[in-house]
Amino acid sequence: DVKVTQSSRYLVKRTGEKVFLECVQDMDHENMFWYRQDPGLGLRLIYFSYDVKMKEKGDIPEGYSVSREKKERFSLILESASTNQTSMYLCASSSPAGLNTEAFFGQGTRLTVV
Amino acid sequence: AQSVTQPDIHITVSEGASLELRCNYSYGATPYLFWYVQSPGQGLQLLLKYFSGDTLVQGIKGFEAEFKRSQSSFNLRKPSVHWSDAAEYFCAVGTPLIIQGAQKLVFGQGTRLTINP
Repeated sequence: DVKVTQSSRYLVKRTGEKVFLECVQDMDHENMFWYRQDPGLGLRLIYFSYDVKMKEKGDIPEGYSVSREKKERFSLILESASTNQTSMYLCASSSPAGLNTEAFFGQGTRLTVV
Repeated sequence: AQSVTQPDIHITVSEGASLELRCNYSYGATPYLFWYVQSPGQGLQLLLKYFSGDTLVQGIKGFEAEFKRSQSSFNLRKPSVHWSDAAEYFCAVGTPLIIQGAQKLVFGQGTRLTINP
């Protein structure tokens, strides 16, 4: 069974903290993504990576960075957490087989910044 | 820019009733369309996808969707809903990224489905 695993289901952090959200996939996928999910806004792409050490900004990258040192692992970093980053974060992966490939999602990390 | 609109934020239907969730997209080329479902506290699971060919696609859990190019729509249907179908449903269009072979999904706002017993 294919799997995308996010290390935490729930996190509570303080304003100004540096926060790491971790994601691991076991499908040998080249592409990995971080989305943010907010009510009424659906999912919005923060960053994606198409290979080890390669990354590109998505639609809402401000306040975030990412790291991909190994193919199976993609980390989202909040350099200095703020209350407006309280949200659900979803990691996904896909193969680069073309536009008709589906993305597989992790279960999400609900982050609360206080 | 590509976009997806799901006009209904929340829908309530009775168990056993039929269901249709609406999705309209804006995309200049041939769209790659997806429906995902998110159960409470869970990630997203793919229900079905459309790339080409037959405009009526079948998915898991008894769902189907029909692609209508003239209406830029990709509505999701189920003839008889079950209580376990209560969830949030997302329509998405796949758009190519600058890196060949990579695409991102542009999502609609989601429709929350409630089932009355």
